[in-house]
Amino acid sequence: RKEVEQDPGPFNVPEGATVAFNCTYSNSASQSFFWYRQDCRKEPKLLMSVYSSGNEDGRFTAQLNRASQYISLLIRDSKLSDSATYLCVVNSMTTDSWGKLQFGAGTQVVVTP
Amino acid sequence: EAQVTQNPRYLITVTGKKLTVTCSQNMNHEYMSWYRQDPGLGLRQIYYSMNVEVTDKGDVPEGYKVSRKEKRNFPLILESPSPNQTSLYFCASWGTGFLNEQFFGPGTRLTVL
Repeated sequence: RKEVEQDPGPFNVPEGATVAFNCTYSNSASQSFFWYRQDCRKEPKLLMSVYSSGNEDGRFTAQLNRASQYISLLIRDSKLSDSATYLCVVNSMTTDSWGKLQFGAGTQVVVTP
Repeated sequence: EAQVTQNPRYLITVTGKKLTVTCSQNMNHEYMSWYRQDPGLGLRQIYYSMNVEVTDKGDVPEGYKVSRKEKRNFPLILESPSPNQTSLYFCASWGTGFLNEQFFGPGTRLTVL
């Protein structure tokens, strides 16, 4: 079983609609969580960190559910420019695995006019 | 400008011919890492480094070597490349702290014939 799993999609979303997707992780000791965005095989870029209480950045909302070991990303009022692959990243940051990050394979979102 | 640079960006080589991909960051980050990205598998960590002269294996270290002689540089060495190392490679750096953003280089597309 992969340590971080994502639905690969694609999620086809009409412009202006809301889309949400999850990422599950297997290591209960995981301590920090991120969503990155990657455009067409370019370098990933940080979209947002995920805080325990959940956090929002404009049209993007991230949630963490430690009990069920998943994080979620919700995009409201989707724009064409939101079309990308969204990568879930988990960092355990224990003494044995400092710096060792696990990436999900990504969820593809396609926003259509 | 804060950035991570990689060279070369594109490389086609033949089996067995040693090569080095350079990575440099100008943000004085302690952590650096190399990833490879293959379709359907996401980013997989090859090696990472906590600081000068401190490196450790990631999930897929076989066939690769790294060194960290200076804080800013973290070259990836393929002593005897094989076709299964054909991939898209990313270097990344980040500072200490749970929620520190990883900065990625632009990627190196390597083809081993």
